Amino acid sequence: GAVVSQHPSRVICKSGTSVKIECRSLDFQATTMFWYRQFPKQSLMLMATSNEGSKATYEQGVEKDKFLINHASLTLSTLTVTSAHPEDSSFYICSARDRVGTNEKLFFGSGTQLSVL
Amino acid sequence: LAKTTQPISMDSYEGQEVNITCSHNNIATNDYITWYQQFPSQGPRFIIQGYKTKVTNEVASLFIPADRKSSTLSLPRVSLSDTAVYYCLVGPLFSGGYNKLIFGAGTRLAVHP
Repeated sequence: GAVVSQHPSRVICKSGTSVKIECRSLDFQATTMFWYRQFPKQSLMLMATSNEGSKATYEQGVEKDKFLINHASLTLSTLTVTSAHPEDSSFYICSARDRVGTNEKLFFGSGTQLSVL
Repeated sequence: LAKTTQPISMDSYEGQEVNITCSHNNIATNDYITWYQQFPSQGPRFIIQGYKTKVTNEVASLFIPADRKSSTLSLPRVSLSDTAVYYCLVGPLFSGGYNKLIFGAGTRLAVHP
């Protein structure tokens, strides 16, 4: 199946710094990618939809100035957590959709564990 | 988007068959049903997808009754490595709606020796 690569897998940073997370579709082109956030023992929460060549669409309650999304190419989307604070500590997951035959599937990255000190 | 309801948790033993049922009473005509598996600190992994009746692949079967208001994921002969959270998602394919798949709480399956 299609592969979505996410990097880094884990990052620890000081409060106030910015962190960039990369999401790449390795063997297919993804005009649309998605960013999720997951707290321990909770489900995935969709943060935003990243569209290649255009602005991202954010879900209600997600600060677009806090979570900057860039989708400059058909294989790369980045999420930058700006001025990170301890409450931003979470597991961030990206995904991309790919058409497989007559089906459409979402493929997910391996996730990034962000810890803000 | 159709809301889904699953059991919060299930327990099983190695070698048993596990059936996880998902309710989606307001499923739309063009909605598909997709199941994902997630291990701790990993992204979800696609298991199986279907529209109606029965779908089978190398890891699972998906049973969907005629009214499509529910679906059952069947895992044959589970092993310890099947301990994970299983999510049932419902949404249309090839449209913007599918892009906004909403994850429910999922079912935490614990497989015991």
